[in-house]
Amino acid sequence: DIVLTQSPATLSVTPGESVSLSCRASQGISTSIHWYQQKSNESPRLLIKYASQSISGIPSRFSGSGSGTDFTLSINRVESEDFSVYYCQQSYSLPLTFGSGTKLEIK
Amino acid sequence: EVQLVESGEGLVQPGSSMKLSCVASGFTFSNYGMNWIRQAPKKGLEWIALIYYDSSSKYYADSVKGRFTISRDNSKNTLYLEMNSLRSEDTAMYYCATAPNWELYFDYWGQGVMVTVSS
Repeated sequence: DIVLTQSPATLSVTPGESVSLSCRASQGISTSIHWYQQKSNESPRLLIKYASQSISGIPSRFSGSGSGTDFTLSINRVESEDFSVYYCQQSYSLPLTFGSGTKLEIK
Repeated sequence: EVQLVESGEGLVQPGSSMKLSCVASGFTFSNYGMNWIRQAPKKGLEWIALIYYDSSSKYYADSVKGRFTISRDNSKNTLYLEMNSLRSEDTAMYYCATAPNWELYFDYWGQGVMVTVSS
């Protein structure tokens, strides 16, 4: 199984700061990584597909990059509504797996 | 508007069975692969099952293989998850989620239903 390691586990930031969240795969997965946001007591929401492809309706401050084993979700100028948990997920091979998540919290 | 509405929530004893449903609307259900994903309390996300748009293929996580069965009825726009031999570690919020055809990411999610396995 492909293991996804997200870091850091928790990131404390001030609104207005820009941040980068990391997701590292246990083997090369090309660009088969997808990012989700899960707000407290809500279902996850797809933010980015295939490492860097934007999703309709998602604010442009969210962007993704990377290929192979190292991937990054970037948020330009964090807003109050962005404080939540972010997960990466690989679709390179079954079983589909998620990272353990990065919690973005207010400093 | 895409809507996925799960039902079947409840408390069951270890070893028992339970069936979840997910009714879809707002899109052509028969064109989409469908998945079940679960989240144990205060834990991360775990994909557990996938069914192709035409039921031709089904895949499971090892943690549920042989105990859970995913199925769908395209005439009723409904996805199912039959769960047998339930264990305490199956306690989780269960989400249904769509996957565009031949894709393996999840673009729409239901609100989730809670399954609690406890004596």
